[in-house]
Amino acid sequence: AQSVAQPEDQVNVAEGNPLTVKCTYSVSGNPYLFWYVQYPNRGLQFLLKYITGDNLVKGSYGFEAEFNKSQTSFHLKKPSALVSDSALYFCAVRDMNTGKLIFGQGTTLQVKP
Amino acid sequence: EAQVTQNPRYLITVTGKKLTVTCSQNMNHEYMSWYRQDPGLGLRQIYYSMNVEVTDKGDVPEGYKVSRKEKRNFPLILESPSPNQTSLYFCASSQRTDKNSPLHFGNGTRLTVT
Repeated sequence: AQSVAQPEDQVNVAEGNPLTVKCTYSVSGNPYLFWYVQYPNRGLQFLLKYITGDNLVKGSYGFEAEFNKSQTSFHLKKPSALVSDSALYFCAVRDMNTGKLIFGQGTTLQVKP
Repeated sequence: EAQVTQNPRYLITVTGKKLTVTCSQNMNHEYMSWYRQDPGLGLRQIYYSMNVEVTDKGDVPEGYKVSRKEKRNFPLILESPSPNQTSLYFCASSQRTDKNSPLHFGNGTRLTVT
């Protein structure tokens, strides 16, 4: 069965510092991986995806993610965090049989001034 | 503006009183889906639809019904709501079920069943 794990419930960083939100996955076959962000009282917004190709994927709002096949990881990164990046982040893998997105538990990112 | 619209945003009801949460998308997407979000559990799929008149169960379908009579609409129906269905619900759609299509989400419906 396909699954995604986000090992950290919360990540705290200071504004201006680099941030990493971790995600590991378990799939059979090639993974199709996504990151979404959820701001308070809003739906999920698509940030970036990995389908194939370069292991470093660039997305919205200055975020990027690094795909590592040997470690089965897809960590979300940003070189310099902003207070406005504070939100709930979800990693997800797509089940190609049903189209379903299988989500991790979510990681709350708190960026402090 | 391309969007997925859910209504209502907030709903408080009592056990057993039938309710419908509407979902509409204006992007001509074939694929639509309902998720519920609960703390510590992430998002779990309730039902999905690959196209008009085609629906199937997700991971947590018990107590829910859906219909897909038109491409743009995908209502979620709770025939007899119970307190364990108190949750935050999201409707989502995508162009196709292929790997390149990210899901577009509505802003959510917060349901409380007392």
